[in-house]
Amino acid sequence: GQNIDQPTEMTATEGAIVQINCTYQTSGFNGLFWYQQHAGEAPTFLSYNVLDGLEEKGRFSSFLSRSKGYSYLLLKELQMKDSASYLCASLDSNYQLIWGAGTKLIIKP
Amino acid sequence: DVKVTQSSRYLVKRTGEKVFLECVQDMDHENMFWYRQDPGLGLRLIYFSYDVKMKEKGDIPEGYSVSREKKERFSLILESASTNQTSMYLCASSFGTGVSQPQHFGDGTRLSIL
Repeated sequence: GQNIDQPTEMTATEGAIVQINCTYQTSGFNGLFWYQQHAGEAPTFLSYNVLDGLEEKGRFSSFLSRSKGYSYLLLKELQMKDSASYLCASLDSNYQLIWGAGTKLIIKP
Repeated sequence: DVKVTQSSRYLVKRTGEKVFLECVQDMDHENMFWYRQDPGLGLRLIYFSYDVKMKEKGDIPEGYSVSREKKERFSLILESASTNQTSMYLCASSFGTGVSQPQHFGDGTRLSIL
């Protein structure tokens, strides 16, 4: 079956670094998306990885290992506004997104 | 910027009613999607459409139907609302077919069925 696993909740301190992990098992693979969703708002696109390695975009970076079925989102210099849920989604062989349940990130001062 | 607009942020309906949720996008995207989002679960795909008048079932189509008469508009219909359809409904759109383009989401409709 198809499955995406990510931690339910994480807590970090303002100014610190946090890594949110995601493992996936999907029928075929056409890339891995990360989205951010603030409470009561729409998910917004953060990153897309299809090749192995690290992609950096400002304070946010995303890593992919296709052989391990593993990705992570790295958030640096955490700010209070980074408190949100982070959704991992794998694009399968039919170009359909398979979504994880999301990781709620709580930032403490 | 892509704008996906859902007609209502909050909606309360009664069991057995026919419910219409509307979604409009302004970026000429081919693809449109309806999801529901429930606590502890990932987004679940209800229906999607790759073109006008085309529709495909997602993972949980039972109790729902859709309509896409114009490219920019994708409607979700609850034929006879039931309490287990109380949820957050998210509409999304994306460019192209068979390509890895991000989906852009509306703000969602929080639907309560009493």
